[in-house]
Amino acid sequence: GQQLNQSPQSMFIQEGEDVSMNCTSSSIFNTWLWYKQDPGEGPVLLIALYKAGELTSNGRLTAQFGITRKDSFLNISASIPSDVGIYFCAGLSGGSQGNLIFGKGTKLSVKP
Amino acid sequence: DAGVIQSPRHEVTEMGQEVTLRCKPISGHNSLFWYRQTMMRGLELLIYFNNNVPIDDSGMPEDRFSAKMPNASFSTLKIQPSEPRDSAVYFCASSSRTGSYNSPLHFGNGTRLTVT
Repeated sequence: GQQLNQSPQSMFIQEGEDVSMNCTSSSIFNTWLWYKQDPGEGPVLLIALYKAGELTSNGRLTAQFGITRKDSFLNISASIPSDVGIYFCAGLSGGSQGNLIFGKGTKLSVKP
Repeated sequence: DAGVIQSPRHEVTEMGQEVTLRCKPISGHNSLFWYRQTMMRGLELLIYFNNNVPIDDSGMPEDRFSAKMPNASFSTLKIQPSEPRDSAVYFCASSSRTGSYNSPLHFGNGTRLTVT
């Protein structure tokens, strides 16, 4: 079946640094989503991408839908302690949300 | 707006007992999803409903698992009998579908199930 490879699995960064994570797949997707999960809570949508090449920002977060439609990246600029959490990418290839595939997540830890 | 509401937040039960997890989707959303999250397997889709009708239950691990959606504002996921390997966080999510457009999934805060 379809799989998403999300990297890195985890990262420690210094407060103020920029962060980059990405997802790749051997399959084509027509939607990419990025979620963040805080401890004890459900994933919360950060950014949704619907077109190849699309670059979208949400505050300090920027995400892009790769031209090949097989990848997406998420950047966080000037990280702060509350950025700690697990970030998930998710890809959708068909019309039904039942086909949404999640990556395994990138665990972000920030050193204060 | 209230988000997706799940109950209970935590459930500890003994092996063999019946467990019922509950979900109230966001008002107006017509699609509801049940996911299971573990360290090993990440987020896995168990079953989803459109307009209260189960569409795909291929992710339900065994016959011990069942889900219902009797109306647009309520769904249950039942495990009977429960086993220790069912221990996980179970998430409910909802979205709205209009024509071919799907809004992104909105997740509840999950139920952490521990089966001893």
